[in-house]
Amino acid sequence: QQQVRQSPQSLTVWEGGTTVLTCSYEDSTFNYFPWYQQFPGEGPALLISILSVSDKKEDGRFTTFFNKREKKLSLHIIDSQPGDSATYFCARGTGNTGKLIFGLGTTLQVQP
Amino acid sequence: EAAVTQSPRSKVAVTGGKVTLSCHQTNNHDYMYWYRQDTGHGLRLIHYSYVADSTEKGDIPDGYKASRPSQENFSLILELASLSQTAVYFCASSVLDLSSYEQYFGPGTRLTVL
Repeated sequence: QQQVRQSPQSLTVWEGGTTVLTCSYEDSTFNYFPWYQQFPGEGPALLISILSVSDKKEDGRFTTFFNKREKKLSLHIIDSQPGDSATYFCARGTGNTGKLIFGLGTTLQVQP
Repeated sequence: EAAVTQSPRSKVAVTGGKVTLSCHQTNNHDYMYWYRQDTGHGLRLIHYSYVADSTEKGDIPDGYKASRPSQENFSLILELASLSQTAVYFCASSVLDLSSYEQYFGPGTRLTVL
């Protein structure tokens, strides 16, 4: 049962370009939407997160947008760097247990 | 800084054998989680725990047991390993903060069942 749909599955961009990853979800009752970044051979690590009371959160080159009406989440990476090459997962919080439901991930390759 | 360690980092097991994966955290976190990661399936929650001596089923608990003997330690047990349980397993920990569900992940254990 996939409750968070993530696209694209994979993406290649040139160094210096802008990367856009998107997620859509079915249920609008949850309030926490994080993005995790995973490098090969490592565990995922929190990149950026947003609460549903906000529509935008920025952290350096990374910005996440939340559209509650359309039930969509996006991650924008400006000035993409080869070091950004990784798999990115969006997720949503599921209530008062701290549980997360993850999307299937997007594998990003930034070409120099 | 948050620290979650897992052992072993990789393991080869035989079908029908028993496998125990261990996780240790020094974050003083109440919540701990076990996930499996498969190509095409992302991260799926197997079991989790919010207090020592208690575990809860996640989304895919069949074929797995969990044990939380202390706040710091959380184990995943495969009583009868099967080929379909070949995957990378991640442990994570978190505090209960409803404004931030940040989970800290370990480096993973690559399990191959033959």
